Amino acid sequence: EPEVTQTPSHQVTQMGQEVILRCVPISNHLYFYWYRQILGQKVEFLVSFYNNEISEKSEIFDDQFSVERPDGSNFTLKIRSTKLEDSAMYFCASSEAILSSSNTEAFFGQGTRLTVV
Amino acid sequence: AQSVAQPEDQVNVAEGNPLTVKCTYSVSGNPYLFWYVQYPNRGLQFLLKYITGDNLVKGSYGFEAEFNKSQTSFHLKKPSALVSDSALYFCAVRDGRYSSASKIIFGSGTRLSIRP
Repeated sequence: EPEVTQTPSHQVTQMGQEVILRCVPISNHLYFYWYRQILGQKVEFLVSFYNNEISEKSEIFDDQFSVERPDGSNFTLKIRSTKLEDSAMYFCASSEAILSSSNTEAFFGQGTRLTVV
Repeated sequence: AQSVAQPEDQVNVAEGNPLTVKCTYSVSGNPYLFWYVQYPNRGLQFLLKYITGDNLVKGSYGFEAEFNKSQTSFHLKKPSALVSDSALYFCAVRDGRYSSASKIIFGSGTRLSIRP
């Protein structure tokens, strides 16, 4: 069964450093998403991406965040200068069509746990 | 604004008994409702969804959910719980009014614990 894969599973970084979280969405999917889950809190939407551009983003997704699909298979989330409060589980997801389609749901990866020290 | 509430942080059920995990929602248009499950050290797995049609939706692993428009609820149910059902369950909603809206909003999660 096709699945979304994320690497690394756990990353530790020093405050102020840049990190790149990587995701390989399901191959025939066209819509891509990043969500995050701070420990003990709810899963929060960060950004959606379609046709090589951001289609929607939350207030959390400020200028320190960026997303890219560099090579047609990977989908990355970059955090330029990490802060302690960026520590969270980051989930990548993809969907075949826009989530308003009745036959579509989002498939999530296993997550990358980012720890900023 | 759309929102989802899961009023119970934890639900404890004995194996073999029926289980219910509660969810209520608030959206302006017709809701698209989802349940996801998260096992330890795993990602979010899709269980089931309601878009339109029959109010009782059947999903993976024997789970079902009932859409109740008057009560704005979408409770997750299973007639007979298994120890392997122990996990974190998330209800989610998308506002069906906006065809371009691409995000779903998650509830805070309910930890389901099934004792042998």
